[in-house]
Amino acid sequence: GQSLEQPSEVTAVEGAIVQINCTYQTSGFYGLSWYQQHDGGAPTFLSYNALDGLEETGRFSSFLSRSDSYGYLLLQELQMKDSASYFCAVYRTDKLIFGTGTRLQVFP
Amino acid sequence: DARVTQTPRHKVTEMGQEVTMRCQPILGHNTVFWYRQTMMQGLELLAYFRNRAPLDDSGMPKDRFSAEMPDATLATLKIQPSEPRDSAVYFCASGPSVIGADTQYFGPGTRLTVL
Repeated sequence: GQSLEQPSEVTAVEGAIVQINCTYQTSGFYGLSWYQQHDGGAPTFLSYNALDGLEETGRFSSFLSRSDSYGYLLLQELQMKDSASYFCAVYRTDKLIFGTGTRLQVFP
Repeated sequence: DARVTQTPRHKVTEMGQEVTMRCQPILGHNTVFWYRQTMMQGLELLAYFRNRAPLDDSGMPKDRFSAEMPDATLATLKIQPSEPRDSAVYFCASGPSVIGADTQYFGPGTRLTVL
């Protein structure tokens, strides 16, 4: 089977650092992606890890460890606009299988 | 600025009625996906196409749902007859021919309410 588990909600204050974890039970995938979705909006791509290790894109970083079946999204210097839902997804053949999603609330 | 478009953006209908949702993928993208999002089930893949051919529709209830791509610029998702449990946001996404994880671009979605 395939399942990706994420915490349902995370809260933090502006300027802080937050880590959103994703644990999965699947195999044979090309990589792990992260998508951001604001309330009422569509998912938008944030990052992708094809290999184990850390990928950095500005304030956001993503990490993958295939041996641990684990990944995370790290958001630094949090801003109010980062309040949104974040989804991890494994990329298999031509399709994405999405995790349960984590709602991030950033407070002033 | 190329983007995926979806119509209608909102649809309210009564149980038993037919619903048709349309999607125009980004020009040149050859892979099209239909997703459904609800609070309870999250984001679910319903079906997807490559070069207009259906590759996987295992996530779609076959008895009432159908997805087609009559041409490269139009994908449709139909529900007949609709039921209250179909109420959700339906997203279309498209991707280019090169395989890569950051290649799915989502449309704004159709918010469907079935009364």
